[in-house]
Amino acid sequence: AQSVTQLGSHVSVSEGALVLLRCNYSSSVPPYLFWYVQYPNQGLQLLLKYTSAATLVKGINGFEAEFKKSETSFHLTKPSAHMSDAAEYFCAVSGNTNAGKSTFGDGTTLTVKP
Amino acid sequence: DAGVTQSPTHLIKTRGQHVTLRCSPISGHKSVSWYQQVLGQGPQFIFQYYEKEERGRGNFPDRFSARQFPNYSSELNVNALLLGDSALYLCASSSLLGGQETQYFGPGTRLLVL
Repeated sequence: AQSVTQLGSHVSVSEGALVLLRCNYSSSVPPYLFWYVQYPNQGLQLLLKYTSAATLVKGINGFEAEFKKSETSFHLTKPSAHMSDAAEYFCAVSGNTNAGKSTFGDGTTLTVKP
Repeated sequence: DAGVTQSPTHLIKTRGQHVTLRCSPISGHKSVSWYQQVLGQGPQFIFQYYEKEERGRGNFPDRFSARQFPNYSSELNVNALLLGDSALYLCASSSLLGGQETQYFGPGTRLLVL
């Protein structure tokens, strides 16, 4: 069984500041981890994924995440926030390469202040 | 190429009614997954179908059912609607060819049960 906890339902940063969205997971098997972004009234878009290769994963739009097994974490970062990054972000875990059965966290809403 | 499409975009039903939601996957994708996203929460896995067979089922009552057609499109059916079924229903498709699968989400169907 898998579960995901996203710490902080709302995060607010200034434009140009570091973005850090936290995700901790629980999995009885080696996990596959994903970050998605959801803009209002849209579906989810994959930002990046960890599938047991490199622990530092680079994604689209300048985002990256680091898999830390000892901390069971997969935090999402971006060095400099842009106004267009304002959205809801979801962390998800799957117990195998089949992403179609993923377990999602409850999401973090990112606000970017000018 | 067209992405994942879902219909209808919005739907209003009353308690006790039945609803059918439709999804067309990306061309060449043989797997379709359905998720329920209640306001303020992350998506919850309902079903996955691959090659017209059920590959997984989440923790949802038997009022929820689905099927996949020879062209890989899919329907999600919900009987005896409850107020708590009000949610955004997301469909995602993936190729499931093996290894590091990525699922692509449609824009969703927003269901309101009155």
